[in-house]
Amino acid sequence: AQSVTQLDSQVPVFEEAPVELRCNYSSSVSVYLFWYVQYPNQGLQLLLKYLSGSTLVKGINGFEAEFNKSQTSFHLRKPSVHISDTAEYFCAVTFSSNTGKLIFGQGTTLQVKP
Amino acid sequence: GAVVSQHPSRVICKSGTSVKIECRSLDFQATTMFWYRQFPKKSLMLMATSNEGSKATYEQGVEKDKFLINHASLTLSTLTVTSAHPEDSSFYICSAAIPWGANEQFFGPGTRLTVL
Repeated sequence: AQSVTQLDSQVPVFEEAPVELRCNYSSSVSVYLFWYVQYPNQGLQLLLKYLSGSTLVKGINGFEAEFNKSQTSFHLRKPSVHISDTAEYFCAVTFSSNTGKLIFGQGTTLQVKP
Repeated sequence: GAVVSQHPSRVICKSGTSVKIECRSLDFQATTMFWYRQFPKKSLMLMATSNEGSKATYEQGVEKDKFLINHASLTLSTLTVTSAHPEDSSFYICSAAIPWGANEQFFGPGTRLTVL
């Protein structure tokens, strides 16, 4: 079965510190990978995506992620976080064999402390 | 580009009434739209896939007679929660698949439904 796992439900970090949010997926077919951010009572905003090509993907707001096929991971990183990065982060996968449906991870709450 | 809107952003209704939520792609045509439900502190649960001009495909466990989906045009999909009850209170989010991207979706801002 295809699935997405975000290993940390909450990640507390101090402002200006680096952060990594982990995401692993399970699939026997090719995948497209996404990270979304959600601020309270809002929809989802795309941070970055991996479709093909370079495994290191850069997104908005200084975030980047690396696709590791052998470890089936797509971890999100930022070298220095800001208070404004406090939000919910979702990893999502769509599989090239399906109808475009996104499968979401459980979400990770990033709490940036001053 | 690729903006998706939802209306209303917030709605409060009495138990037993029906509520319609609209999802529009503002600057592109979306042959496929998706409806999600999100419980507090939880991830998004796909409810159904809406294709223009055809019946929606519902996920397992979603009552199609309670959550009516109509995708009447390439820019509009509607979700009607019929005979709403307090347990239907939730955050509903739609998304639209962009036709030029590989399975990429753009999300609406969401609708907060509260059933009293």
